[in-house]
Amino acid sequence: AQTVTQSQPEMSVQEAETVTLSCTYDTSENNYYLFWYKQPPSRQMILVIRQEAYKQQNATENRFSVNFQKAAKSFSLKISDSQLGDTAMYFCAFMTSFGNEKLTFGTGTRLTIIP
Amino acid sequence: EPEVTQTPSHQVTQMGQEVILRCVPISNHLYFYWYRQILGQKVEFLVSFYNNEISEKSEIFDDQFSVERPDGSNFTLKIRSTKLEDSAMYFCASSGRQNFWEAFFGQGTRLTVV
Repeated sequence: AQTVTQSQPEMSVQEAETVTLSCTYDTSENNYYLFWYKQPPSRQMILVIRQEAYKQQNATENRFSVNFQKAAKSFSLKISDSQLGDTAMYFCAFMTSFGNEKLTFGTGTRLTIIP
Repeated sequence: EPEVTQTPSHQVTQMGQEVILRCVPISNHLYFYWYRQILGQKVEFLVSFYNNEISEKSEIFDDQFSVERPDGSNFTLKIRSTKLEDSAMYFCASSGRQNFWEAFFGQGTRLTVV
């Protein structure tokens, strides 16, 4: 079974600064996907970024980027130039690379951007 | 932009009552899911559904739970006899064949069992 661990329950950072959220996972699979989901106060789960395990290049989406270390089973999220709208819960999630597969979530990191 | 729609947004029910949570997935999606989030805790997988049958279910998804796709558009989660510990946010999600990895989530139904 896969497990996802987020060791930072809460973080806060000043607006415009950079923040990194940590995630580690455990799996015996070689091919899989990793995700970061954002859950703002509205509670809807929004996909922020995804990484395919077979790709060595780290994924980037505008201000969001990941540091994917496959051997270490580590998948951190970096948010650059943080904005007030980034305040949310962030969940790291894992999916095996077949169709119709469930997401396994970590416990989340509550991120607060301070004006 | 297509979206997953869930109704109601909030439901209060008495312990022991049956509830049905409704979801309209994105129209051309083939894979459907229900997840649960107890307040302040992580999101947990309940069940996945494909080709009109359950493809996987978690330990949480016991005999009190059932899912159905009654008319080709709606996807429902039924809890037969609710317990206090069923109080949670329930999320429906769907994904397509090509981008199966991209699950689109609905806004959730907050279920409160009293």
